[in-house]
Amino acid sequence: AQSVTQLDSQVPVFEEAPVELRCNYSSSVSVYLFWYVQYPNQGLQLLLKYLSGSTLVKGINGFEAEFNKSQTSFHLRKPSVHISDTAEYFCAVKAGTYKYIFGTGTRLKVLA
Amino acid sequence: SAVISQKPSRDICQRGTSLTIQCQVDSQVTMMFWYRQQPGQSLTLIATANQGSEATYESGFVIDKFPISRPNLTFSTLTVSNMSPEDSSIYLCSVEDLGGLGDTQYFGPGTRLTVL
Repeated sequence: AQSVTQLDSQVPVFEEAPVELRCNYSSSVSVYLFWYVQYPNQGLQLLLKYLSGSTLVKGINGFEAEFNKSQTSFHLRKPSVHISDTAEYFCAVKAGTYKYIFGTGTRLKVLA
Repeated sequence: SAVISQKPSRDICQRGTSLTIQCQVDSQVTMMFWYRQQPGQSLTLIATANQGSEATYESGFVIDKFPISRPNLTFSTLTVSNMSPEDSSIYLCSVEDLGGLGDTQYFGPGTRLTVL
């Protein structure tokens, strides 16, 4: 069965510092991977996705993620965070036709 | 990408009542999805809704509790029936874009439901 693990439930980081949010997956089929962001009291917004091709994927708001097949990881990174990046971040894998598995989320808190 | 709206954005309801949530998409889509996000938790798929046929429910969710309508290719409703405080959650509608850029799900803003 496919699954997604986000090891960190909360990540505090100071403004302008770099951040990495970790995501590991298990999948026995072709892997489609996603990162979504959820700002307070809002729905989910797609940050970036990996479907095929280059393993380094760039998304919106300066975020990027690297697909690592050997380590079954898809970690999200940003070199310098802003207060406005404070949100919940969800990693997801497409697990079949019309089926997506979401991780438990990582709450990023950017400190002034 | 699709633009998705939901109504209501939030509601506070009494135990035993029902609430219908509407989801509108700005383009025609084959499949629409309904998720539940309980407080502090991740998303759980309730059901997928294909226009013209009955919704397909995930394990643990039943039609009597969560009836879904899908009258056309741009609209769906989810009803939360006979509510209890355990139904307090965010309910999210989503669609899958199978366009040239590949498979991706896009989400509405959610409906925040509190049951007293």
